[in-house]
Amino acid sequence: EAGVTQFPSHSVIEKGQTVTLRCDPISGHDNLYWYRRVMGKEIKFLLHFVKESKQDESGMPNNRFLAERTGGTYSTLKVQPAELEDSGVYFCASSTGFNYGYTFGSGTRLTVV
Amino acid sequence: QQQVKQSPQSLIVQKGGIPIINCAYENTAFDYFPWYQQFPGKGPALLIAIRPDVSEKKEGRFTISFNKSAKQFSLHIMDSQPGDSATYFCAASPVQSSASKIIFGSGTRLSIRP
Repeated sequence: EAGVTQFPSHSVIEKGQTVTLRCDPISGHDNLYWYRRVMGKEIKFLLHFVKESKQDESGMPNNRFLAERTGGTYSTLKVQPAELEDSGVYFCASSTGFNYGYTFGSGTRLTVV
Repeated sequence: QQQVKQSPQSLIVQKGGIPIINCAYENTAFDYFPWYQQFPGKGPALLIAIRPDVSEKKEGRFTISFNKSAKQFSLHIMDSQPGDSATYFCAASPVQSSASKIIFGSGTRLSIRP
């Protein structure tokens, strides 16, 4: 089966610009998660979708971040306006929810300059 | 504050040695403790996991030791190989459901010298 696909793989934007990251989960996986790793630190949870609904968005840093999951399929994470501290690697993961087995995508490396 | 503390930050071991990565947690609601392995340019991949009702779990050359009373767990890699060089993350997940979020440690960059 195809894995979790994220794009772009890299993005360099200027402070104040807008960036949209996309995640295509494994087909049939109702659960979709966004995580972020800032340089050298832990991978931090951002939010969790079950189908198209936000189950847990407790990790979203502020209202500059907007996540959507249209029709319960792919998801987008928009950062508007981007700040320097938003730089990091953004990971998406998906799961069936019937076990703890997440599958992660390869991540999007975001650099805000 | 960091809910899962991981050490060391980096580790260099000779081939055949036994690297040990340690983690500690505070939240007694955690009920599932996975380890993830990440190679450069890839996402983390589940390596091995343990529940707190057992003290040790072994899969191939990888072993998790779990000390519930101390709230600590560790990963041992037996007969380490250069191909094991990667970043390793310990993690924990609360008991609510198998779809609950995972709380990660800060990662250990492991390098196995030939």
